[in-house]
Amino acid sequence: GENVEQHPSTLSVQEGDSAVIKCTYSDSASNYFPWYKQELGKRPQLIIDIRSNVGEKKDQRIAVTLNKTAKHFSLHITETQPEDSAVYFCAAEDNAGNMLTFGGGTRLMVKP
Amino acid sequence: KAGVTQTPRYLIKTRGQQVTLSCSPISGHRSVSWYQQTPGQGLQFLFEYFSETQRNKGNFPGRFSGRQFSNSRSEMNVSTLELGDSALYLCASSLVSGANVLTFGAGSRLTVL
Repeated sequence: GENVEQHPSTLSVQEGDSAVIKCTYSDSASNYFPWYKQELGKRPQLIIDIRSNVGEKKDQRIAVTLNKTAKHFSLHITETQPEDSAVYFCAAEDNAGNMLTFGGGTRLMVKP
Repeated sequence: KAGVTQTPRYLIKTRGQQVTLSCSPISGHRSVSWYQQTPGQGLQFLFEYFSETQRNKGNFPGRFSGRQFSNSRSEMNVSTLELGDSALYLCASSLVSGANVLTFGAGSRLTVL
Protein backbone atom coordinates (compact mmCIF):
# COMPACT_ATOMS: atom_id res chain seq x y z
CA GLY A 1 0.00 0.00 0.00
CA GLU A 2 0.86 3.67 -0.11
CA ASN A 3 3.33 5.06 2.44
CA VAL A 4 3.48 8.81 3.08
CA GLU A 5 6.21 10.44 5.12
CA GLN A 6 5.96 14.05 6.24
CA HIS A 7 8.67 16.39 7.53
CA PRO A 8 9.23 18.21 9.76
CA SER A 9 6.97 17.06 12.56
CA THR A 10 7.13 20.51 14.14
CA LEU A 11 7.97 23.84 12.60
CA SER A 12 8.27 27.20 14.30
CA VAL A 13 8.51 30.40 12.27
CA GLN A 14 8.30 34.10 12.90
CA GLU A 15 5.25 35.92 11.64
CA GLY A 16 5.85 37.07 8.09
CA ASP A 17 8.35 34.33 7.29
CA SER A 18 7.70 31.47 4.90
CA ALA A 19 7.02 27.87 5.92
CA VAL A 20 7.66 24.74 3.87
CA ILE A 21 6.39 21.26 4.67
CA LYS A 22 7.54 18.28 2.63
CA CYS A 23 6.02 14.89 1.96
CA THR A 24 7.25 11.83 0.11
CA TYR A 25 5.10 8.98 -1.13
CA SER A 26 5.86 5.47 -2.26
CA ASP A 27 3.35 4.64 -4.99
CA SER A 28 4.38 6.05 -8.36
CA ALA A 29 0.81 5.56 -9.62
CA SER A 30 -0.64 8.08 -7.15
CA ASN A 31 -2.31 11.01 -8.84
CA TYR A 32 -4.03 13.02 -6.13
CA PHE A 33 -2.33 14.91 -3.30
CA PRO A 34 -4.40 17.02 -0.90
CA TRP A 35 -3.35 19.05 2.12
CA TYR A 36 -5.52 19.40 5.21
CA LYS A 37 -5.25 21.92 8.02
CA GLN A 38 -6.42 21.08 11.53
CA GLU A 39 -6.62 23.89 14.04
CA LEU A 40 -6.52 23.02 17.71
CA GLY A 41 -9.71 21.28 18.74
CA LYS A 42 -11.22 21.45 15.28
CA ARG A 43 -11.76 19.11 12.37
CA PRO A 44 -9.31 18.78 9.45
CA GLN A 45 -10.21 20.94 6.49
CA LEU A 46 -8.93 20.80 2.94
CA ILE A 47 -6.82 23.83 2.09
CA ILE A 48 -5.37 22.90 -1.28
CA ASP A 49 -4.93 19.87 -3.49
CA ILE A 50 -3.04 19.00 -6.64
CA ARG A 51 -3.36 16.33 -9.28
CA SER A 52 -0.46 14.82 -11.13
CA ASN A 53 -1.13 16.59 -14.40
CA VAL A 54 0.21 19.86 -12.93
CA GLY A 55 3.45 20.67 -11.16
CA GLU A 56 2.33 23.61 -9.06
CA LYS A 57 -0.86 25.16 -7.78
CA LYS A 58 -1.33 28.41 -5.88
CA ASP A 59 -4.11 29.90 -3.79
CA GLN A 60 -3.23 33.28 -2.34
CA ARG A 61 -0.47 32.68 0.24
CA ILE A 62 -0.52 28.90 -0.16
CA ALA A 63 1.12 26.86 -2.89
CA VAL A 64 1.77 23.20 -3.48
CA THR A 65 4.47 21.78 -5.72
CA LEU A 66 4.68 18.24 -7.01
CA ASN A 67 7.66 16.32 -8.33
CA LYS A 68 6.37 13.01 -9.66
CA THR A 69 9.81 11.78 -10.67
CA ALA A 70 11.14 12.14 -7.16
CA LYS A 71 7.78 11.24 -5.60
CA HIS A 72 7.56 14.21 -3.33
CA PHE A 73 5.31 17.20 -2.89
CA SER A 74 5.51 20.27 -0.71
CA LEU A 75 3.29 22.89 0.88
CA HIS A 76 4.55 26.46 0.86
CA ILE A 77 2.99 29.17 3.01
CA THR A 78 4.25 32.70 2.48
CA GLU A 79 3.86 35.71 4.79
CA THR A 80 2.77 33.49 7.66
CA GLN A 81 0.27 34.81 10.16
CA PRO A 82 -0.61 33.60 13.68
CA GLU A 83 -3.86 32.10 12.34
CA ASP A 84 -1.75 29.77 10.18
CA SER A 85 -0.76 27.97 13.40
CA ALA A 86 -2.22 24.47 13.13
CA VAL A 87 -1.36 20.88 12.28
CA TYR A 88 -1.01 20.27 8.55
CA PHE A 89 -1.50 16.85 6.99
CA CYS A 90 -0.47 15.80 3.52
CA ALA A 91 -2.06 12.81 1.84
CA ALA A 92 -1.71 10.69 -1.28
CA GLU A 93 -4.14 8.33 -2.93
CA ASP A 94 -3.36 4.65 -3.16
CA ASN A 95 -2.55 2.99 -6.48
CA ALA A 96 -6.14 2.10 -7.21
CA GLY A 97 -7.41 5.58 -6.40
CA ASN A 98 -9.48 4.10 -3.64
CA MET A 99 -8.33 5.80 -0.50
CA LEU A 100 -6.09 8.46 0.95
CA THR A 101 -3.08 7.72 3.10
CA PHE A 102 -2.11 10.59 5.37
CA GLY A 103 1.29 11.73 6.52
CA GLY A 104 2.04 11.99 10.22
CA GLY A 105 1.30 15.72 10.36
CA THR A 106 3.33 18.89 10.94
CA ARG A 107 2.61 21.20 13.83
CA LEU A 108 3.24 24.73 12.57
CA MET A 109 3.64 27.49 15.12
CA VAL A 110 3.75 31.09 13.93
CA LYS A 111 5.18 33.41 16.54
CA PRO A 112 3.90 37.00 16.53
CA LYS B 1 -26.26 22.95 3.97
CA ALA B 2 -25.58 20.89 7.09
CA GLY B 3 -22.08 19.53 7.55
CA VAL B 4 -20.96 16.11 8.63
CA THR B 5 -22.50 15.26 12.00
CA GLN B 6 -20.98 12.80 14.44
CA THR B 7 -22.52 11.50 17.62
CA PRO B 8 -21.74 11.22 20.41
CA ARG B 9 -19.03 13.84 20.66
CA TYR B 10 -17.51 12.45 23.85
CA LEU B 11 -17.80 9.11 25.59
CA ILE B 12 -16.07 7.14 28.27
CA LYS B 13 -16.02 3.36 28.32
CA THR B 14 -14.20 0.69 30.26
CA ARG B 15 -12.06 -2.11 28.91
CA GLY B 16 -14.03 -4.97 27.46
CA GLN B 17 -17.08 -2.91 26.61
CA GLN B 18 -18.21 -2.08 23.11
CA VAL B 19 -19.07 1.23 21.52
CA THR B 20 -21.05 2.42 18.52
CA LEU B 21 -20.37 5.75 16.84
CA SER B 22 -22.62 7.42 14.30
CA CYS B 23 -21.89 9.64 11.31
CA SER B 24 -24.39 11.52 9.13
CA PRO B 25 -22.79 12.75 5.91
CA ILE B 26 -23.51 15.89 3.98
CA SER B 27 -26.75 15.56 2.08
CA GLY B 28 -26.04 13.98 -1.28
CA HIS B 29 -22.71 12.50 -0.25
CA ARG B 30 -22.71 8.75 -0.64
CA SER B 31 -19.26 7.89 0.66
CA VAL B 32 -18.31 7.81 4.33
CA SER B 33 -14.80 7.13 5.56
CA TRP B 34 -13.66 6.60 9.11
CA TYR B 35 -10.30 7.59 10.59
CA GLN B 36 -8.68 7.10 13.97
CA GLN B 37 -6.62 10.04 15.20
CA THR B 38 -4.13 9.66 18.02
CA PRO B 39 -1.34 12.08 19.00
CA GLY B 40 1.44 9.79 17.91
CA GLN B 41 -0.12 8.12 14.88
CA GLY B 42 -1.79 10.90 12.97
CA LEU B 43 -4.79 9.94 10.86
CA GLN B 44 -5.17 6.20 10.39
CA PHE B 45 -7.71 4.96 7.85
CA LEU B 46 -10.24 2.50 9.21
CA PHE B 47 -12.69 1.85 6.37
CA GLU B 48 -14.85 3.43 3.71
CA TYR B 49 -18.46 2.76 2.83
CA PHE B 50 -20.18 3.63 -0.40
CA SER B 51 -23.75 2.71 -1.27
CA GLU B 52 -23.99 0.47 1.81
CA THR B 53 -20.91 -1.53 0.79
CA GLN B 54 -17.51 -1.50 2.41
CA ARG B 55 -15.17 -0.42 -0.36
CA ASN B 56 -11.86 -0.21 1.47
CA LYS B 57 -10.47 -1.30 4.78
CA GLY B 58 -7.40 -0.20 6.69
CA ASN B 59 -5.09 -2.26 8.82
CA PHE B 60 -7.18 -2.57 11.99
CA PRO B 61 -8.24 -5.72 13.86
CA GLY B 62 -11.64 -7.29 13.34
CA ARG B 63 -12.89 -5.65 16.55
CA PHE B 64 -13.44 -2.58 14.41
CA SER B 65 -16.43 -2.84 12.13
CA GLY B 66 -18.87 -0.59 10.40
CA ARG B 67 -21.91 -0.34 8.24
CA GLN B 68 -23.80 2.11 6.11
CA PHE B 69 -27.51 2.55 5.79
CA SER B 70 -29.60 3.35 2.75
CA ASN B 71 -29.68 7.05 3.71
CA SER B 72 -25.84 7.03 3.70
CA ARG B 73 -25.57 7.40 7.46
CA SER B 74 -22.82 5.22 8.82
CA GLU B 75 -21.97 3.61 12.11
CA MET B 76 -18.75 2.13 13.36
CA ASN B 77 -18.50 -0.34 16.20
CA VAL B 78 -15.57 -1.30 18.35
CA SER B 79 -15.97 -4.42 20.45
CA THR B 80 -13.93 -5.61 23.42
CA LEU B 81 -12.43 -2.18 23.97
CA GLU B 82 -8.77 -1.85 24.88
CA LEU B 83 -6.95 1.07 26.47
CA GLY B 84 -5.20 1.72 23.16
CA ASP B 85 -8.52 2.38 21.46
CA SER B 86 -8.69 5.74 23.19
CA ALA B 87 -8.65 8.23 20.33
CA LEU B 88 -10.57 10.75 18.31
CA TYR B 89 -12.63 8.98 15.68
CA LEU B 90 -13.29 11.12 12.65
CA CYS B 91 -15.63 10.40 9.83
CA ALA B 92 -15.51 12.15 6.50
CA SER B 93 -17.97 12.23 3.65
CA SER B 94 -17.47 12.76 -0.05
CA LEU B 95 -19.67 12.73 -3.11
CA VAL B 96 -18.20 9.58 -4.57
CA SER B 97 -15.97 6.77 -3.47
CA GLY B 98 -12.23 6.88 -3.64
CA ALA B 99 -9.59 9.53 -3.24
CA ASN B 100 -11.65 12.69 -3.37
CA VAL B 101 -12.23 15.82 -1.36
CA LEU B 102 -13.16 14.81 2.15
CA THR B 103 -15.34 16.83 4.49
CA PHE B 104 -14.69 15.83 8.06
CA GLY B 105 -16.99 15.76 11.01
CA ALA B 106 -15.99 17.12 14.41
CA GLY B 107 -15.18 13.65 15.67
CA SER B 108 -16.13 11.39 18.56
CA ARG B 109 -13.59 11.37 21.35
CA LEU B 110 -13.46 7.97 22.99
CA THR B 111 -11.73 7.40 26.30
CA VAL B 112 -11.25 3.83 27.47
CA LEU B 113 -10.52 3.36 31.18
